[in-house]
Amino acid sequence: SYVLTQPPSVSVAPGQTARITCGGTNIGSRSVHWYQQKPGQAPVLVVYDDSDRPSGIPERFSGSNSGNTATLTISRVEAGDEADYSCQVWANDSDHPVFGGGTKLTVL
Amino acid sequence: QITLKESGLTLVKPTQTLTLTCTFSGFSLSSSGVGVGWIRQPPGKALEWLALIFWDDGIYYSPSLRRRLTITKDISKNQVVLSMTNMDPVDTATYYCAHRGPRVAAFDFWGQGTLVTVSS
Repeated sequence: SYVLTQPPSVSVAPGQTARITCGGTNIGSRSVHWYQQKPGQAPVLVVYDDSDRPSGIPERFSGSNSGNTATLTISRVEAGDEADYSCQVWANDSDHPVFGGGTKLTVL
Repeated sequence: QITLKESGLTLVKPTQTLTLTCTFSGFSLSSSGVGVGWIRQPPGKALEWLALIFWDDGIYYSPSLRRRLTITKDISKNQVVLSMTNMDPVDTATYYCAHRGPRVAAFDFWGQGTLVTVSS
């Protein structure tokens, strides 16, 4: 089965740029979606199809995907961005969603 | 606007069957390309996809849990029901249902989740 690998944690100071990676074999050939989850809350879609943002998501959130790594970039990080971030793709052989292990973003 | 809400027993005993209902509004599960999925999250752990049902009755299950899962839909009630047999304490988790739209192949709307505890 397809495996997505994320770093367990990323730390960044307010106002700086956070980059959260999602690794997978030839992930660049798949569409990657990113979810933000704050403690006690349901996940929220923040980036879909590698780099598109749903309505209401700040432009500070952006994404890229190439080769074996997809990246969620959060610019001008704010305290309110502190959350767990998970990537997700769909397996090619079926409509079978796969989630990464999640990355905890800490704002110092 | 699209909303989803999970309901069902929150405490089940080992070996029992869990039945969860997702009641939704703001979309129809008879519209082309629309799906509703179930995803769970054990405390402190990652999201795990369980099952997915589409407008055209297409159904997909997690390979590792396929033998224990059944997903159905009731268009008239705007509901999707998930059953999981032979529950075990390791199945303790928050269970979410989520909408997958026809144009955005992601789970773009989620229910609030329901914490299911498996304990004797």
